[in-house]
Amino acid sequence: ETGVTQTPRHLVMGMTNKKSLKCEQHLGHNAMYWYKQSAKKPLELMFVYSLEERVENNSVPSRFSPECPNSSHLFLHLHTLQPEDSALYLCASSQASGGAYNEQFFGPGTRLTVL
Amino acid sequence: GDSVTQMEGPVTLSEEAFLTINCTYTATGYPSLFWYVQYPGEGLQLLLKATKADDKGSNKGFEATYRKETTSFHLEKGSVQVSDSAVYFCALSDPGAAGNKLTFGGGTRVLVKP
Repeated sequence: ETGVTQTPRHLVMGMTNKKSLKCEQHLGHNAMYWYKQSAKKPLELMFVYSLEERVENNSVPSRFSPECPNSSHLFLHLHTLQPEDSALYLCASSQASGGAYNEQFFGPGTRLTVL
Repeated sequence: GDSVTQMEGPVTLSEEAFLTINCTYTATGYPSLFWYVQYPGEGLQLLLKATKADDKGSNKGFEATYRKETTSFHLEKGSVQVSDSAVYFCALSDPGAAGNKLTFGGGTRVLVKP
């Protein structure tokens, strides 16, 4: 596997289910991100992890719970979601080094549908 | 705070036409600027970047020049192909922000017809 992979690619869940999205990066990066992409809305940054520490949480509801066990893996745990949470969830990674720029590399996304 | 504004789509044009997508930004520091492209059913891919004023990023026939005086980073391609149909996102990176946070524009959908 190369780059950034995400599983599953598609997920349908009911509002009472608990599921997890997985992201893995094979690029040796030390920062990882979760984004939400909804139809007709700008890309929304949800969480940022740098060196496995959460550095930003953009007021995301607690029904979304991130986990970053190591620099290569990032999870998004989902529980009691709402239909408006249906969206494409994108994971990205980058090399975060003392404020210097490094581009983010994105995975293909998980298309989530909440019934 | 930082923000990115890009023209709304969809932009529909014929093959071999000239494409311009406008992007302007506001930032407190000296950001790096990017264009990302998202093809149907896929994630975002970096198309090109520029890290300082007057830099020109280029890739796959696309170009964009970092214009500090007009706070712009317009994307251009001289002759588009059907395969260029995608959504294009302009973004900036604040070097002072932890974790290289990106601020994205709303995206511009481009449809190229044969």
